[in-house]
Amino acid sequence: TQLLEQSPQFLSIQEGENLTVYCNSSSVFSSLQWYRQEPGEGPVLLVTVVTGGEVKKLKRLTFQFGDARKDSSLHITAAQPGDTGLYLCAGVWEDTTDSWGKFQFGAGTQVVVTP
Amino acid sequence: DTEVTQTPKHLVMGMTNKKSLKCEQHMGHRAMYWYKQKAKKPPELMFVYSYEKLSINESVPSRFSPECPNSSLLNLHLHALQPEDSALYLCASRSNSYNSPLHFGNGTRLTVT
Repeated sequence: TQLLEQSPQFLSIQEGENLTVYCNSSSVFSSLQWYRQEPGEGPVLLVTVVTGGEVKKLKRLTFQFGDARKDSSLHITAAQPGDTGLYLCAGVWEDTTDSWGKFQFGAGTQVVVTP
Repeated sequence: DTEVTQTPKHLVMGMTNKKSLKCEQHMGHRAMYWYKQKAKKPPELMFVYSYEKLSINESVPSRFSPECPNSSLLNLHLHALQPEDSALYLCASRSNSYNSPLHFGNGTRLTVT
């Protein structure tokens, strides 16, 4: 079983602070996606990263894909209460043989931003 | 608003009941998924349908029976469930492009009593 490690599992910060979430694997991803899930809803895609070394920005969120395509990070600048949610990374591996469309999720990071 | 619609939103059933969860999408996606999610945990894959055929079954107990009547619909038939099956059941769909993302519905919150 391919393992996708996500850390930390929980983050509680004050409004205006910065935070970073990490996602790591020993295997190479073909792509990695970040999702955010709010209570009572399904996960919603934030970004897809495909190319090694890629950096994508979505307003105050910055996503990086490692050069070797084995790791990724999500950085939030000046967090706001609306950023509260469960952040999930998900990847598909090139060497998976039975996985047309099979995604491996990290354990998730619960982020709480208090005013 | 999500483009993947799941019904019902909430379901309470006894261990001897038979019920069905429904999922619908009209994005033309040819892969559809069932996931199970416990509180504060990531989604766990149950089934994948590709072009209306079962592609992946993650060793799910037979009390869960998936069905894909057509390219827009996905059902999950439930029978003789256990209390530990209580969870959020998420449906997702995806286009057949290799790096395309999952589009999730808002799930059915299932409680087994």
